[in-house]
Amino acid sequence: AQRVTQPEKLLSVFKGAPVELKCNYSYSGSPELFWYVQYSRQRLQLLLRHISRESIKGFTADLNKGETSFHLKKPFAQEEDSAMYYCALRSRGGGNKLTFGTGTQLKVEL
Amino acid sequence: EAGVVQSPRYKIIEKKQPVAFWCNPISGHNTLYWYRQNLGQGPELLIRYENEEAVDDSQLPKDRFSAERLKGVDSTLKIQPAELGDSAVYLCASSFPRTGGSSEAFFGQGTRLTVV
Repeated sequence: AQRVTQPEKLLSVFKGAPVELKCNYSYSGSPELFWYVQYSRQRLQLLLRHISRESIKGFTADLNKGETSFHLKKPFAQEEDSAMYYCALRSRGGGNKLTFGTGTQLKVEL
Repeated sequence: EAGVVQSPRYKIIEKKQPVAFWCNPISGHNTLYWYRQNLGQGPELLIRYENEEAVDDSQLPKDRFSAERLKGVDSTLKIQPAELGDSAVYLCASSFPRTGGSSEAFFGQGTRLTVV
């Protein structure tokens, strides 16, 4: 079974402060990890994936297999980062099953 | 490209009534997902199609929920009869498998169902 855990339902930070959204997963095989974001009144969309090792909108995430974590980080939060963030896992061996965490609401205050 | 299109956007029905949701995935996307998202929760998979075949429907409450994807393109999700607990946002997503994996799932705007 695959499971994604996001322990924080809400994270509130001031503009310019560092951000870290936590994500832990459990999966016996080799996973693919993603971060999806949902801005107010918009559809859920992909932010970044661990395979690409890219920085999107200043966000990065490193897959730590030892700690089974895929935390999302940004050194300086911006007001436009306020959104709902979901961590997701896809099982490579089990087809395209995509499992989501419960999400973390990020609120960036001025 | 319109992306994944879902209809209707909103639906309010009385309990015990039937309801259907429609999804048009991105052209060429083999994989289609239906998710249910309850308030304050992440999306939970109901059913996944690879072309016209339902390859994972283990989370679909089959006593009242049904889905189909005729011709491997559009899909409909039906609830009959609806219950109060079915109130949620129903999301459709599609993806195209890439060599080496890491295919992105694109989501529709969702259908917000309220059962009264």
